[in-house]
This record gives sequence, C-alpha cells and structure tokens, in this order.
Amino acid sequence: DTAVSQTPKYLVTQMGNDKSIKCEQNLGHDTMYWYKQDSKKFLKIMFSYNNKELIINETVPNRFSPKSPDKAHLNLHINSLELGDSAVYFCASSHLDTQYFGPGTRLTVL
Amino acid sequence: AQSVSQHNHHVILSEAASLELGCNYSYGGTVNLFWYVQYPGQHLQLLLKYFSGDPLVKGIKGFEAEFIKSKFSFNLRKPSVQWSDTAEYFCAVNEPSTGKLIFGQGTTLQVKP
Repeated sequence: DTAVSQTPKYLVTQMGNDKSIKCEQNLGHDTMYWYKQDSKKFLKIMFSYNNKELIINETVPNRFSPKSPDKAHLNLHINSLELGDSAVYFCASSHLDTQYFGPGTRLTVL
Repeated sequence: AQSVSQHNHHVILSEAASLELGCNYSYGGTVNLFWYVQYPGQHLQLLLKYFSGDPLVKGIKGFEAEFIKSKFSFNLRKPSVQWSDTAEYFCAVNEPSTGKLIFGQGTTLQVKP
C-alpha cells in the first residue's frame, strides 16, 4: 500500500516530444507538489496544489503544466521536451506541514 | 527569500565513526525544520523534523538533530554510523508564508565498511 506513487519510474524520450508523469497519493492529504532534482541532486519546488487549486507556481517554463483532476492526483504534463528537462521529478503530498515523497520519475531527453 | 545551506558536500567516514552534518537557514521567523535521507536510487524519506518544543529531536535509525535558534542551525548527528547509512542527506526548511519546502544542496555521506 504505497502512500505516494508515480508512474512511470523511468521515461526516455526524444527532444520535442510531449510526455506526462502521473502521481497519486492515498494518504488523504489536501496538498500535493512537484519537485525537480537536477544532476547535482539539488531539489527545487515546481508546483503545489491544494485541493485541486494551484497555490505555488515557481518560475517554471510554461511548457510544464500540472493538472489535478482530484485532490488525490497531481499529474505533470511537459510539452516540447528539451535536453535540460532531463532530471528526476518527485511528487509529494503533505499533512500539517510535513511532506511525503513519491519514488521519483527519471526523465531522460535524448 | 529563504535559503538553506549545508556546509559539507561530501563526507566519508568509517563504520562506527560519529557523524555531524551542518545545516543553516536564513529565515528569521518561526520555521519548521526537516532532515530527509535519499538512499541510492530511492525516494526521499523523512528522518526527523522540528516544529516546536524540545530543540533536540530524535528521528529514525538513531539520528538526532539539534535546533539552535540563535545560530539558525539544525545540525544532524548520529553517534555511530553504519555502512547502510550511505546516502544523500537533505536539510529543508518550510517557508511559513508560502508553505514551500526549501532544500539545502545535500550532503553525500559515504560510509566505508
């Protein structure tokens, strides 16, 4: 019974393609996040949703679009993928200011 | 904007050695503080957290951290490391005004058997 799950675990694709990463949490949390971890392991928040409403939108290119169909899901769609998008993307959810992370999706853009 | 600084980028220890990883943050108000661990190829797991109360907090796997408000620090300690502690360690601060979690740049810990 995974708390925060992401699919796929690995994603290899060509430049210019459009791809999506899915995230689901079964913890009943209201807030969900997307983080990007670069090749130097640095983690930076991208987006946050609270009960399907966008509350944090960092300076992320508009090729990245989060979508929250319900409060248990937060998907990340990326258009026109670029080499620099290669990273590990982590989804998280939070309760009372504590965040719990998913297993990550390693995206490789060729 | 708030920032988090971890002083040690790469630490190499032998088993049974004591560990202390430094973490300083820039925000002057009330903060929530966290240490996360990322084992090779795995996701981030919460080691411990400080919200209020006793500044010495104990976490999982024998780790503890001390919040020193006057020094804006939240250093992680373990008296005796094991080979299985080899991982990336991240200090993080919750930014109260936005709810954002701001991470330090991480410390790679390598424990030699």
